[in-house]
Amino acid sequence: DVKVTQSSRYLVKRTGEKVFLECVQDMDHENMFWYRQDPGLGLRLIYFSYDVKMKEKGDIPEGYSVSREKKERFSLILESASTNQTSMYLCASSLWQQGEEKLFFGSGTQLSVL
Amino acid sequence: GESVGLHLPTLSVQEGDNSIINCAYSNSASDYFIWYKQESGKGPQFIIDIRSNMDKRQGQRVTVLLNKTVKHLSLQIAATQPGDSAVYFCAESRGTALIFGKGTTLSVSS
Repeated sequence: DVKVTQSSRYLVKRTGEKVFLECVQDMDHENMFWYRQDPGLGLRLIYFSYDVKMKEKGDIPEGYSVSREKKERFSLILESASTNQTSMYLCASSLWQQGEEKLFFGSGTQLSVL
Repeated sequence: GESVGLHLPTLSVQEGDNSIINCAYSNSASDYFIWYKQESGKGPQFIIDIRSNMDKRQGQRVTVLLNKTVKHLSLQIAATQPGDSAVYFCAESRGTALIFGKGTTLSVSS
């Protein structure tokens, strides 16, 4: 089974702190994604990556950056955390095959910014 | 603008009933759609997918229907069980990433 592991289940940070959310997948998937999930808004794409050292902006990249130094690891960075970044963050990986893409998600990191 | 949305944020059914969860999309160029299920405390899990060259696809107790004319997608769950209680998301492929709808919370009572 594909395993996508997010380093923290719950995280509490203060406004202005630099925050790192880590994600590791063990299936050698090329594609990795960061979404945030908020009540009533569903899942919104922040950033994604199709290869090591490659990154693409999603729908809501403002206030975030990412790092993909190794194929299995995709990090989400909040340079200066703000209260409106309090959310559930979901990492996913996938393999694109024959025009179909199945995402495998981690369990999520609930980030609270105080 | 482009969006993937669900008609109802919540759906309540009795155990044993059939459930139908609906989704509307606006991007007529989308050619691949997926349904995900998210249980409490977990990340979303793949349920079933369908390509735009199909109208219907069946899995185990689940069926996805695609109506391209009205840009409508539905997930049917047969003989709904308490374990089906979850949030269900439809998603469409934009070629580079999946875009998700807002989700429908399905509650199953015994």
